[in-house]
Amino acid sequence: SQTIHQWPATLVQPVGSPLSLECTVEGTSNPNLYWYRQAAGRGLQLLFYSVGIGQISSEVPQNLSASRPQDRQFILSSKKLLLSDSGFYLCASRQRFSGNTIYFGEGSWLTVV
Amino acid sequence: TQLLEQSPQFLSIQEGENLTVYCNSSSVFSSLQWYRQEPGEGPVLLVTVVTGGEVKKLKRLTFQFGDARKDSSLHITAAQPGDTGLYLCAVQDDKIIFGKGTRLHILP
Repeated sequence: SQTIHQWPATLVQPVGSPLSLECTVEGTSNPNLYWYRQAAGRGLQLLFYSVGIGQISSEVPQNLSASRPQDRQFILSSKKLLLSDSGFYLCASRQRFSGNTIYFGEGSWLTVV
Repeated sequence: TQLLEQSPQFLSIQEGENLTVYCNSSSVFSSLQWYRQEPGEGPVLLVTVVTGGEVKKLKRLTFQFGDARKDSSLHITAAQPGDTGLYLCAVQDDKIIFGKGTRLHILP
């Protein structure tokens, strides 16, 4: 099975500061990778997904960006955070062509102040 | 437009009561999954339904996939405080799309 490592676990950032959340995957190769954001008590909003190195699809217009510099590394970034970027961010991985089990990272709580 | 509509958004009931929550769409899916999530954690998979009309049981939880594979329901019998949580349905192709969830609270 896969293991997803996501960090940092929590961070408090001022408005206008940059952001970098990192996600790495163990136990598989060439997975589909996903970034989600979740407002308190609500469902997961898909932000970005990637089917391979350097391939990023954006689901919602926003001031966030994602990159996949290596097969098992997925990074969520922002140059200037907004208050509305606060939330719980989850990285997820799914092995293509072998079932539909989704593995989630531990999550990152971001508070923009 | 939300691909998956979950209802109700919130549900608070007494321990021992039965309840049903729904996941609806106008699209047809090859499969659908139900998850339960606790605050600050990732969702945990409960079940995957694949065949139209399929019914799966997980202890006191009964999951049904609609005949047309556009909707699904989750029925909980004799709810317990441990059932409290956020219940999410999800569908997959290259993307994995979740509904907004039903926040369930079981009162002791």
